[in-house]
Amino acid sequence: AQSVTQLDSHVSVSEGTPVLLRCNYSSSYSPSLFWYVQHPNKGLQLLLKYTSAATLVKGINGFEAEFKKSETSFHLTKPSAHMSDAAEYFCVVSESYNQGGKLIFGQGTELSVKP
Amino acid sequence: DAMVIQNPRYQVTQFGKPVTLSCSQTLNHNVMYWYQQKSSQAPKLLFHYYDKDFNNEADTPDNFQSRRPNTSFCFLDIRSPGLGDAAMYLCATSRGRAANEKLFFGSGTQLSVL
Repeated sequence: AQSVTQLDSHVSVSEGTPVLLRCNYSSSYSPSLFWYVQHPNKGLQLLLKYTSAATLVKGINGFEAEFKKSETSFHLTKPSAHMSDAAEYFCVVSESYNQGGKLIFGQGTELSVKP
Repeated sequence: DAMVIQNPRYQVTQFGKPVTLSCSQTLNHNVMYWYQQKSSQAPKLLFHYYDKDFNNEADTPDNFQSRRPNTSFCFLDIRSPGLGDAAMYLCATSRGRAANEKLFFGSGTQLSVL
């Protein structure tokens, strides 16, 4: 069975400093991995996805993530945080089965950005 | 332009009083999903439709039902809401059900049960 673990429930950074949100996954075969962002009282928006192509994936708003199979990790990074990046971030693995795809969500990491 | 639209944004109901949440999409996607997200928790899939084919998750309570009268609309019916059903309900769509499909989410309906 597939699962995903987000190692930090809350991360706080200063504006202009790098962001690192950590995610480890467990999968019995090649996974599809995603990062979604949820701003307060909003739906989820896809930041980026990995689907067995390039291991370094670039997403929207300057975010990127690197798939490391040896470490079973898919950490999300951004070189310089902006106040508007404050949100909840979910690492997601997709489970494909006979009846269709199913998303397995991590517990989320709340990102705070200080001025 | 909103692509997945959920109405209402906030819904208040009484304990045991049936309530219906609505979702519409302009993407013409085949798949529509309903997720439940309780406070400070990850979204949890309740069920999904692939076209007219309904797929219920094994642990979704019978209290939750869904209807999809056409491609554009999908409804979530809670027959007898309990206090534990207070949550954000998220509708999402995708073109297909492949593992790498991107989901498009609506802004959600925040349900309160009094």
